Amino acid sequence: QVQLVESGGGVVQPGGSLRLSCAASGFSFIGYGMHWVRQAPGKGLEWVAVIWYDGNIKYFTDSVKGRFSISRDNSKNTLYLEMSGLRPEDTAIYYCARDRMVWGVIGDFDYWGQGTLVTVSS
Amino acid sequence: EIVLTQSPATLSLSPGERATLFCRASQSVGSYLAWYQQKPGQAPRLLIYDASNRATGIPARFSGSGSGTDFTLTISSLEPEDFAVYFCQQRSNWPPYTFGQGTNLEIK
Repeated sequence: QVQLVESGGGVVQPGGSLRLSCAASGFSFIGYGMHWVRQAPGKGLEWVAVIWYDGNIKYFTDSVKGRFSISRDNSKNTLYLEMSGLRPEDTAIYYCARDRMVWGVIGDFDYWGQGTLVTVSS
Repeated sequence: EIVLTQSPATLSLSPGERATLFCRASQSVGSYLAWYQQKPGQAPRLLIYDASNRATGIPARFSGSGSGTDFTLTISSLEPEDFAVYFCQQRSNWPPYTFGQGTNLEIK
């Protein structure tokens, strides 16, 4: 069965950096675009970034451009989110999610991990 | 950026009743709208994509309709496990993909 397991969350000071990982199993990771979606405590969902199946195309929401980067290692079935210049408003549960489309990106999310909590606080 | 507005914010119903949730887009999204269910402490789950298509494994009591700017998620007869928060999401005009603020479906 499809499994996505995030790790790397924690407490970091404003201006700090963190790298999140998402280990995928149960499907052909190389064939799917992958997303990061976050949810501030008690709030709604916010899409953060997407990376195409081959890693060549990436998009970000405006609030993280220039601070976050997304990458993947298809040999390790792992997705990453590198976060720098962290701000208190980045505090959230970060979910990785699989795009519904094979060999492309369609923009809805058919499988989600359980999330990893990032807290930005001094 | 397309803004999605969900109503009502909270819906209080009893098991066995019919639930109707609404999502309105600030501009047309065609049929490129999805619905997700989220229970406390869990990740969201895809219910409906492209406005009216049930995702894999989703019971037939869940249905979606609408196009353009106005969409509806209907749960025909509520089961105890259906009480949760529901989000709509558009993929028509991106980036960014955007979500509604959610409807909390609670037990009356």
